[in-house]
Amino acid sequence: EAGVAQSPRYKIIEKRQSVAFWCNPISGHATLYWYQQILGQGPKLLIQFQNNGVVDDSQLPKDRFSAERLKGVDSTLKIQPAKLEDSAVYLCASSFTPAINGYTFGSGTRLTVV
Amino acid sequence: DQQVKQNSPSLSVQEGRISILNCDYTNSMFDYFLWYKKYPAEGPTFLISISSIKDKNEDGRFTVFLNKSAKHLSLHIVPSQPGDSAVYFCAARGSQGNLIFGKGTKLSVKP
Repeated sequence: EAGVAQSPRYKIIEKRQSVAFWCNPISGHATLYWYQQILGQGPKLLIQFQNNGVVDDSQLPKDRFSAERLKGVDSTLKIQPAKLEDSAVYLCASSFTPAINGYTFGSGTRLTVV
Repeated sequence: DQQVKQNSPSLSVQEGRISILNCDYTNSMFDYFLWYKKYPAEGPTFLISISSIKDKNEDGRFTVFLNKSAKHLSLHIVPSQPGDSAVYFCAARGSQGNLIFGKGTKLSVKP
C-alpha cells in the first residue's frame, strides 16, 4: 500500500511570503489531518477533515492559515503571510476512521521562514 | 496547558538492557493511548497502543503499561537494540479521533 505523500519536502521562504503544502492520503482513507511540529515539541493538530468536511480546526490560525480537501482526497495547506514562528515540519496523516491503531503519517514538509 | 506530558527529553540505555519511557496525562476521558516512533527526516510511525480499559498490551519487545488511577503510562522495550534509537512520542486519542502528543523522549541505545 502506498503511503501518505507530501510535497515539497523542504521549503525556505522569507517572512510575509506565502507558501502551500500538498498531501495525498492513502487511498480510501476518509480522515485526513494536518499537524505542525515545531522543533523540540510534539506534533500539534491544525485541522482534521472527514471526507471533504472540516471536523476540527480549532487550533488553526485562521488569519493566516487555510486548508482545503478537494473531493475528499488530496489536501492543501496554505500560509499567507508567513511569520518566523511558522518555521516547523508540517505533517499530513490519514486513516480510515478515527483509528484505534493511530494513523499513517507522511514524511512531512520542513518549512523555514527567514 | 499540556494534556500529555513526557517529562524526560532524553534517555540513554545500553544495548540489551530495558528502556522505560514514561508519559503522564491529565484528561481521564481519553480512551486510547498510543506510542509513535520517529526517525530524523521521517514522519512518526505507529508502534503500539492500549485501550483505557486495559492495563497492559504487549507486542514483541514492546510492552505498554497503563495506570489509570495515576494517569500514567509507560513503554518498555526489552531488550533494547541500537536500531531503537529514535524519538518516542506518547499520544492520547481525543474525542474527535485526533491524537494529542507529548513533546517526545529521545532514546539512545548504545552498543
